[in-house]
Amino acid sequence: AQSVTQLDSQVPVFEEAPVELRCNYSSSVSVYLFWYVQYPNQGLQLLLKYLSGSTLVKGINGFEAEFNKSQTSFHLRKPSVHISDTAEYFCAVSRNNAGNMLTFGGGTRLMVKP
Amino acid sequence: DTEVTQTPKHLVMGMTNKKSLKCEQHMGHRAMYWYKQKAKKPPELMFVYSYEKLSINESVPSRFSPECPNSSLLNLHLHALQPEDSALYLCASSQVSRDSDYGYTFGSGTRLTVV
Repeated sequence: AQSVTQLDSQVPVFEEAPVELRCNYSSSVSVYLFWYVQYPNQGLQLLLKYLSGSTLVKGINGFEAEFNKSQTSFHLRKPSVHISDTAEYFCAVSRNNAGNMLTFGGGTRLMVKP
Repeated sequence: DTEVTQTPKHLVMGMTNKKSLKCEQHMGHRAMYWYKQKAKKPPELMFVYSYEKLSINESVPSRFSPECPNSSLLNLHLHALQPEDSALYLCASSQVSRDSDYGYTFGSGTRLTVV
């Protein structure tokens, strides 16, 4: 079985500052990795995903993430955040060659302050 | 069409009521999911349908009854719910693949309050 740990439950940051949201996973097999964003009273929206190939993945809204196999991490970054980025962010994994079963981390609340 | 549509958006029901949540997608996805999300928590998987057949039931109480009448529709029938069942219920869909994973498309959810 796999598991996902998001190390920070809340990350406050000022507008236009850079941000990193941390995600670590554990799995005995190869995994696919995802970041989802959830705005208030909304469903989850896919930000980006890592399936294979280049370890630096670019997503929507200026976000990117880097897959680090040796550290089993998939941290999400943005060089300059906006007020509109305030939301809940979920890291998730699914196992290779096992269909599409997602395991979510506990979530990180990004709070962008003016 | 790249959306998953859930209705209703809000639902208040009594503990003796019977109601249904509806989910619809027209992306040709053959896997559909029901998730339950409590406040400030990640989504919890309830049911998975693959090619219109129930493939996973995560030990959900029988007061929740899923139904997949065709490849575009997914229902969740509710009966005799408890106040602790109040939550955001999310529907999602995805392509079915053993060699890759394209991610889920989520609906906006139904906010359920049981009184």
